[in-house]
Amino acid sequence: QSALTQPRSVSGSPGQSVTISCTGTSSNVGSYNYVSWYQHHPGKAPQLMIYDVNKRPSGVPDRFSASKSGNTASLTISGLQAEDEAYYYCCSYSGSFTLVFGGGTKLTVL
Amino acid sequence: QVQLVQSGTEVKKPGSSVKVSCKAFGDTFSNSGISWVRQAPGQGLEWMGGIIPIFGSTHSAQNFQGRVTITADGSTSTAYMELSSLRSEDTALYYCARGRGLTGIQYYFDSWGQGTLVTVSS
Repeated sequence: QSALTQPRSVSGSPGQSVTISCTGTSSNVGSYNYVSWYQHHPGKAPQLMIYDVNKRPSGVPDRFSASKSGNTASLTISGLQAEDEAYYYCCSYSGSFTLVFGGGTKLTVL
Repeated sequence: QVQLVQSGTEVKKPGSSVKVSCKAFGDTFSNSGISWVRQAPGQGLEWMGGIIPIFGSTHSAQNFQGRVTITADGSTSTAYMELSSLRSEDTALYYCARGRGLTGIQYYFDSWGQGTLVTVSS
């Protein structure tokens, strides 16, 4: 299974919005509404930010939103804050009880 | 809130095996799965495989089939991941994560262990 495709890096200034894309295929992202997003600060455990394409777990700020269109999912972070600087990974169910992650995107808050 | 606590750092020789444990505090595996995800140095996250303990069903990524064995002991709420025929490319931080989703299928992870560093070196 090939990893989902994410941009290697994105950046934005505090208060701005950024969007991270996650492109898969009709075998994963395109076929299932089971896309999740994780925030990962190096040295810490990843944290679930979005599940089921666009649902936020309790405790995740509503500045984080997500959507999906066809084979591409997207995570949008609005009102950027310094603590949002991290790596972000998408993950999709890929059928037959398997999952696949994206390659990860480094978000830099300028 | 469940807490996943993993076993400690491992250093292994090429060709050997490693077994990493993941104990859940605050969860009895009754309504969830456990997956193993690794991160090699400078690389992204990679799903290795998972188990649904109440069904005893296990699944693994194609890249690891034949080399990874995932088990769980419901009586101690502990999951295990054994990786065999280790090579230098298996040097990575290995995470366990609680999988949630539909019954029998896990497709997102709401709690993660602290990670176990496995170094494969001669």
